[in-house]
Amino acid sequence: DSGVTQTPKHLITATGQRVTLRCSPRSGDLSVYWYQQSLDQGLQFLIQYYNGEERAKGNILERFSAQQFPDLHSELNLSSLELGDSALYFCASSPRLAEKFFGPGTRLTVL
Amino acid sequence: AQKITQTQPGMFVQEKEAVTLDCTYDTSDPSYGLFWYKQPSSGEMIFLIYQGSYDQQNATEGRYSLNFQKARKSANLVISASQLGDSAMYFCAMRESDGLTFGKGTHLIIQP
Repeated sequence: DSGVTQTPKHLITATGQRVTLRCSPRSGDLSVYWYQQSLDQGLQFLIQYYNGEERAKGNILERFSAQQFPDLHSELNLSSLELGDSALYFCASSPRLAEKFFGPGTRLTVL
Repeated sequence: AQKITQTQPGMFVQEKEAVTLDCTYDTSDPSYGLFWYKQPSSGEMIFLIYQGSYDQQNATEGRYSLNFQKARKSANLVISASQLGDSAMYFCAMRESDGLTFGKGTHLIIQP
């Protein structure tokens, strides 16, 4: 158990819908990272937050957004969902700037 | 061009043998970090080992060691005395500045 929690574990929704994925980092970790793992794109970095501030952006679509709250949990919002957004979404946390601890992931299926 | 290359899509290894999983990387940044992760069929990503570009010695963590050859831009993972539970996908990743860039992975299957 990495200490990083993600909810929900599975999510099934329809095209055009909006969903929110939640991540709670390990206690005391200030950095939160979001990654997407899909069959065609592999593992891709989406976005990083550090102590509430956006720190870095990767291949994140404009339909996706994220935030980190004062209690350091983070949410990834995915809107206008398309079939191609079906993937495993990981959150990772770290006390500093290195993703050592990944959560179990949220498996999103868009029908 | 790929930044992380894992040339072995799949490997079959006998239990108790040592395994070397290949990883080469491409960067012009003098400061970078290299990671290996294990992803079992259950899906979670498990951190195994880290090597910083300025680290003088090869990283080791229990049965895992990283064969870091900087001039060759190579960061192979060595698993000693493989076990059935080592069967999984293994990903090499590099951090330059923002986020990790992952390779496509190697599917390792340990046979009894």
